[in-house]
Amino acid sequence: DTGVSQDPRHKITKRGQNVTFRCDPISEHNRLYWYRQTLGQGPEFLTYFQNEAQLEKSRLLSDRFSAERPKGSFSTLEIQRTEQGDSAMYLCASSPLWGAGGNIQYFGAGTRLSVL
Amino acid sequence: GESVGLHLPTLSVQEGDNSIINCAYSNSASDYFIWYKQESGKGPQFIIDIRSNMDKRQGQRVTVLLNKTVKHLSLQIAATQPGDSAVYFCAENVLGGSEKLVFGKGTKLTVNP
Repeated sequence: DTGVSQDPRHKITKRGQNVTFRCDPISEHNRLYWYRQTLGQGPEFLTYFQNEAQLEKSRLLSDRFSAERPKGSFSTLEIQRTEQGDSAMYLCASSPLWGAGGNIQYFGAGTRLSVL
Repeated sequence: GESVGLHLPTLSVQEGDNSIINCAYSNSASDYFIWYKQESGKGPQFIIDIRSNMDKRQGQRVTVLLNKTVKHLSLQIAATQPGDSAVYFCAENVLGGSEKLVFGKGTKLTVNP
């Protein structure tokens, strides 16, 4: 499978614990994005990387959230001191730097986080 | 602020009928739009895109129409099949601006056999 890969698919944690998710983008895609999706809503943008540089961050990305893409390939999203409100699907997407005139973002299947 | 909305949260059609899913956007600066399909337990899947210099774009069984005057776009699915049952999102972007896609809430399409 050469699509965007996310791990784990599901994560159940207790409030106050730290969690980390991993995203492997499509090979050679320079751009990588994280979104959050709650039930019945569309995805909401969290952050964007071009290669290893984090170029955009949403106000949704509180101090408890941190994302990295150290070598410009895979990315991790860490949530510290999780809260019940963090329960959501966390989606990763990637796109090539030079697309065919657009910004098509290809999504992974997501990591579903449940905070108890 | 910028937002993308949908007129109908649910749409039910008979197999073989044509489906039309609507979307309104409010950011007049948006110049790029994408339709995504999301099945249960999966991530959004790209269907078709359109730039603001076009009014219409066709794909395989799908057509996207863009009306910039009223800031409205629609997705038409021809000969709808049970496999088309999913939630459909439109998303907007400003090319050359922020990299983020702004999504609406989605329309749930149910195709009855």
